[in-house]
Amino acid sequence: DAGVIQSPRHEVTEMGQEVTLRCKPISGHNSLFWYRQTMMRGLELLIYFNNNVPIDDSGMPEDRFSAKMPNASFSTLKIQPSEPRDSAVYFCASSPSGSVHEQYFGPGTRLTVT
Amino acid sequence: AQSVAQPEDQVNVAEGNPLTVKCTYSVSGNPYLFWYVQYPNRGLQFLLKYITGDNLVKGSYGFEAEFNKSQTSFHLKKPSALVSDSALYFCAVRDGTGYQKVTFGTGTKLQVIP
Repeated sequence: DAGVIQSPRHEVTEMGQEVTLRCKPISGHNSLFWYRQTMMRGLELLIYFNNNVPIDDSGMPEDRFSAKMPNASFSTLKIQPSEPRDSAVYFCASSPSGSVHEQYFGPGTRLTVT
Repeated sequence: AQSVAQPEDQVNVAEGNPLTVKCTYSVSGNPYLFWYVQYPNRGLQFLLKYITGDNLVKGSYGFEAEFNKSQTSFHLKKPSALVSDSALYFCAVRDGTGYQKVTFGTGTKLQVIP
């Protein structure tokens, strides 16, 4: 298996622009998680899906952030409009359903908003 | 609410010496505990987990962790540190109720000195 795939790996954009991050989870995994990592705030859970349904989006910082999972093999995280404080590394992770399972992380997307 | 504490931002150890990275947790039900490692510019990688059973759990790369219920701790250990073990280590917890959300600690940077 190729593991969790994220694209793009790096994104540089100007403030006010729309940014879309993409994730392909491991085949067969029912749960998908979006995280943000910064030096100041560490690793933050933004949202997670189970069987394509958003279960907990309490970590989404504000309405500028939205996430979708139209099918079991694809998810997007969109920021519109982007701001410099959104600069971070965004990780997608997937796991089988159930609390006993560990998560498998993608390589991350490094977002820079200027 | 569940929480994880990693009291040390950084741990320095000489190559060949034993290492310990500390983690304490708080959870309402039975804890499911995880350790992950992050190398520079990479996503988190699963090392080991405690679900139930033996308090000493063995994982990847020679790491092990000891679950101590009375002290609510899950310290990561390795008998002999390698320079290649230098990385950022995260402890994580979720309770056993089936709720999927996992809470990560703030991370501990391990520096193994040659």
